[in-house]
Amino acid sequence: NAGVTQTPKFRILKIGQSMTLQCTQDMNHNYMYWYRQDPGMGLKLIYYSVGAGITDKGEVPNGYNVSRSTTEDFPLRLELAAPSQTSVYFCASSYRSRRGIVEQFFGPGTRLTVL
Amino acid sequence: ELKVEQNPLFLSMQEGKNYTIYCNYSTTSDRLYWYRQDPGKSLESLFVLLSNGAVKQEGRLMASLDTKARLSTLHITAAVHDLSATYFCAVVPMDSNYQLIWGAGTKLIIKP
Repeated sequence: NAGVTQTPKFRILKIGQSMTLQCTQDMNHNYMYWYRQDPGMGLKLIYYSVGAGITDKGEVPNGYNVSRSTTEDFPLRLELAAPSQTSVYFCASSYRSRRGIVEQFFGPGTRLTVL
Repeated sequence: ELKVEQNPLFLSMQEGKNYTIYCNYSTTSDRLYWYRQDPGKSLESLFVLLSNGAVKQEGRLMASLDTKARLSTLHITAAVHDLSATYFCAVVPMDSNYQLIWGAGTKLIIKP
């Protein structure tokens, strides 16, 4: 299994440009998440999904959109990029055991710079 | 407000020493996770603690959970340089099965 994969690994955007960060998992996990991590900080949840066709906002959703058309894929769309969106973006997935959510598995991250 | 607080946020120590990282949380939870992040890398799961009194150990790291005190500890025994990393704790609130609430992380530097 490849686990959670993300593309691209690095990207530089100009202010106002748009892009999609791709995330794919091959573990058949129902739950998927997008986080951002600013330098020296912890993780902030942007959006999450509990299954195909179901998404919900996290702590910092403004400026982002997501979709979940399949179990495997959970792309994150940035519209009108702003310097405040410069960050490292992590996608994660998890499954639900009888006792609740087991640990999240993370992708390698996408390092985004907006100039 | 749901909060997860780690203490200390930064720790520099010598090899061979023992130390403990603390993770306090404000919500009711019986599920706590510890992750490790190396510089420029992704997060790697270390421990999953699923009940009060749970203790897990791997190598020089031992994690424990006290749900009544809303406290988890990550104890490092006889630290070695390879354990230098940032350590995060995260909890799942009792009223949620979907979200983890994350601490800010503890950056640990172990000097040879």
